[in-house]
Amino acid sequence: GAGVSQSPSNKVTEKGKDVELRCDPISGHTALYWYRQSLGQGLEFLIYFQGNSAPDKSGLPSDRFSAERTGGSVSTLTIQRTQQEDSAVYLCASSLEVFGRQFFGPGTRLTVL
Amino acid sequence: GENVEQHPSTLSVQEGDSAVIKCTYSDSASNYFPWYKQELGKRPQLIIDIRSNVGEKKDQRIAVTLNKTAKHFSLHITETQPEDSAVYFCAASIKGSQGNLIFGKGTKLSVKP
Repeated sequence: GAGVSQSPSNKVTEKGKDVELRCDPISGHTALYWYRQSLGQGLEFLIYFQGNSAPDKSGLPSDRFSAERTGGSVSTLTIQRTQQEDSAVYLCASSLEVFGRQFFGPGTRLTVL
Repeated sequence: GENVEQHPSTLSVQEGDSAVIKCTYSDSASNYFPWYKQELGKRPQLIIDIRSNVGEKKDQRIAVTLNKTAKHFSLHITETQPEDSAVYFCAASIKGSQGNLIFGKGTKLSVKP
């Protein structure tokens, strides 16, 4: 596709369940980022992948959060044992190079009941 | 930790007037400063960015200025139009991270016709 895509667009889950969010970056973009945006709030950095380098996980809020990027392309963000405070829109972005223009996906709205 | 402060949180202007949003950052090693526009319910879109070797950059009605000594940068929108109404986020790169951006909390701009 022409842009960053994310799935699902909406996810409702029960507290304590695990969820997986998927991001397909723009083809050829080496950098991939995950952010979290709570209602009416700014963008909170979660994790960053650049090529084959070890990811920068400095923004992950707890060890319940993890992310993988397979083959330098698709990424999944996994949240284990979800809590109500995990409810937010999770945005993925990709860029051609480090500190290049980031293109955002449409986001996944996660609601934890 | 590193921080980006953004002011004002809300801004209301009349159509045709100018709007200025200001951000300050704490990491003196920051060298990349993008601005994103997010319309209601949509993904953030890059509108302009500036690197630390440049003091000012302009793109039609939008300009960004950077003062590295004072560690602040500003977004200027001239001849505002109703379609400029959105939330605007500034961001600054973080030393020690290959791609991490720290975002300001956003400014909700309303342009009244």
